[in-house]
Amino acid sequence: QVQLQESGPGLVKPSQTLSLTCTVSGGSISSGDYYWSWIRQPPGKGLEWIGYIYYSGSTYYNPSLKSRVTISVDTSKNQFSLKLSSVTAADTAVYYCARTMITFGGVGDAFDIWGQGTMVTVSS
Amino acid sequence: QSVLTQPPSASGTPGQRVTISCSGSSSNIGSNYVYWYQQLPGTAPKLLIYRNNQRPSGVPDRFSGSKSGTSASLAISGLRSEDEADYYCAAWDDSLSGRVVFGGGTKLTVL
Repeated sequence: QVQLQESGPGLVKPSQTLSLTCTVSGGSISSGDYYWSWIRQPPGKGLEWIGYIYYSGSTYYNPSLKSRVTISVDTSKNQFSLKLSSVTAADTAVYYCARTMITFGGVGDAFDIWGQGTMVTVSS
Repeated sequence: QSVLTQPPSASGTPGQRVTISCSGSSSNIGSNYVYWYQQLPGTAPKLLIYRNNQRPSGVPDRFSGSKSGTSASLAISGLRSEDEADYYCAAWDDSLSGRVVFGGGTKLTVL
């Protein structure tokens, strides 16, 4: 079965760039049947979608984060990554990667498989 | 402030039927699918309902989803203690060039 695993630093300094990687096992990112998403959850709060990427490299970002977000894919490693620049304390959250179904219209559909999440704290 | 509105809490006793509401607008629920996720304490969210009322394999038929206009509901029948969790609704929103939006979450307590 497909599994996703996030990895990256748990502590990032303010104004620096947060970098995380999601490794997909049990299935291929290049299958073309899914988008691959990043979602975050600040402590004690709700979920926020960050964006998703297709295996071809096409991306779609949350407009509220678009200026600071870059999502990339490495099909040879079956991984996709998140970079969030100019971080502040407000970016402290658990970051999840998720496999994303695709509707007939090509829009992102359900997040059907999630990683366990990784906590990232922004602090000096 | 979440784009989709959910009650912050809900409760029920074992065996009861509870519903959780999710209110949106014409740019999200009114014109797109609704999804529901269950988040047990300390774990990642899990897909419960997709495309308004579809259950992924493995999700018990005690869970059901519905949508009407700009609102949606999640119903849980035969409530069990293991259903105690946070529940989130989500939908695609056509405004601001498009984005996925979530509700603020509903904490379900099984009394």
